[in-house]
Amino acid sequence: AQTVTQSQPEMSVQEAETVTLSCTYDTSESDYYLFWYKQPPSRQMILVIRQEAYKQQNATENRFSVNFQKAAKSFSLKISDSQLGDAAMYFCAYRSDNTDKLIFGTGTRLQVFP
Amino acid sequence: DVKVTQSSRYLVKRTGEKVFLECVQDMDHENMFWYRQDPGLGLRLIYFSYDVKMKEKGDIPEGYSVSREKKERFSLILESASTNQTSMYLCASSFWGEAFFGQGTRLTVV
Repeated sequence: AQTVTQSQPEMSVQEAETVTLSCTYDTSESDYYLFWYKQPPSRQMILVIRQEAYKQQNATENRFSVNFQKAAKSFSLKISDSQLGDAAMYFCAYRSDNTDKLIFGTGTRLQVFP
Repeated sequence: DVKVTQSSRYLVKRTGEKVFLECVQDMDHENMFWYRQDPGLGLRLIYFSYDVKMKEKGDIPEGYSVSREKKERFSLILESASTNQTSMYLCASSFWGEAFFGQGTRLTVV
């Protein structure tokens, strides 16, 4: 069975600085997808970024980028130029190629200080 | 925009009550999901449905059942609510692997 591990329950960053959230996963599959979701206090889950396992290039969405290391089964999220609005719970998630079911990590709460 | 609507944001129920959590999506998605979110445990899949009247158990189905009579609506049922079912419940629908979430129902069982 696949598992997703987020080892940082809480992280903090100063506004305009860069922060990296860690995620590791375990799978025996070769085709899969990885995601980072953001859950602000409004509780609405928002997709931040996705990575297809077959793509070697790391995904980037504006200030958000990932470091995808397939051999190491690592998928970290880097937030550059952090903003107050980035404060939220961040969940790493895994999806097999043949299903829409998501497997989530336990989440990292990110605080952003002015 | 895809919209997934959960009928209640907050709900307080008594132990032993039968509880219905309703979820409606407006994009004709075939797949719908119920997740439970607890601090330190992340989101865990309770049940999912890939078509009308079709359902499969997720990782923590005990104490729950579901109903999907129409494509747009997926209901989570707590047959006899217990205090250990106090939690946040998130509904989602998906299409071609992209998931859309509702705003969650925070259920308190007293």
